[in-house]
Amino acid sequence: AQTVTQSQPEMSVQEAETVTLSCTYDTSESDYYLFWYKQPPSRQMILVIRQEAYKQQNATENRFSVNFQKAAKSFSLKISDSQLGDAAMYFCAYRSAISNAGNMLTFGGGTRLMVKP
Amino acid sequence: DVKVTQSSRYLVKRTGEKVFLECVQDMDHENMFWYRQDPGLGLRLIYFSYDVKMKEKGDIPEGYSVSREKKERFSLILESASTNQTSMYLCASSVRGTSKYIQYFGAGTRLSVL
Repeated sequence: AQTVTQSQPEMSVQEAETVTLSCTYDTSESDYYLFWYKQPPSRQMILVIRQEAYKQQNATENRFSVNFQKAAKSFSLKISDSQLGDAAMYFCAYRSAISNAGNMLTFGGGTRLMVKP
Repeated sequence: DVKVTQSSRYLVKRTGEKVFLECVQDMDHENMFWYRQDPGLGLRLIYFSYDVKMKEKGDIPEGYSVSREKKERFSLILESASTNQTSMYLCASSVRGTSKYIQYFGAGTRLSVL
């Protein structure tokens, strides 16, 4: 079974600065997807960014980028130019690419990000 | 935009009561999921459904059952609520069989069992 670990329960960052959230995972599979989801205080989770394991290039979405290290099984999220609206819980998640895995996601424990004005 | 609606934001029930949590999605998604969210544990999958009347157990199905009679609606049932089922419950939906694969979430139901 796959596991996802987020070692930082809480992080804080000054507005306009950069912060990196860590995520490691354990799997014996070679093909999979990794995700970062954001859950603002209103609680509706939204997708921030997605990475396919077969792609060497790190995914980016505006101020959000990932550092995907497949051999190290590491998938960190970098938020540049942090804004007050980035304050939220962030969850790292793993999904197998095997079709009979049921499209299930395995989530990490989450990191609460606080942004200081 | 995809909309996943959970019928209640907050719910307070008594031990032993039968509890229904309802979830409706408006994007004709095949897959629907129920998660439980607890501090430090992230989200854990209770059940998912890949079609009407079809269901699969997730990681923590004990004490729960589900019902999917219509494609857009997925219900989570606590047959006899217990205090250890006090938690946040999140519903999600997704298209099946796509490499793009994104799960869309509802706003959650915070259930307290007294």
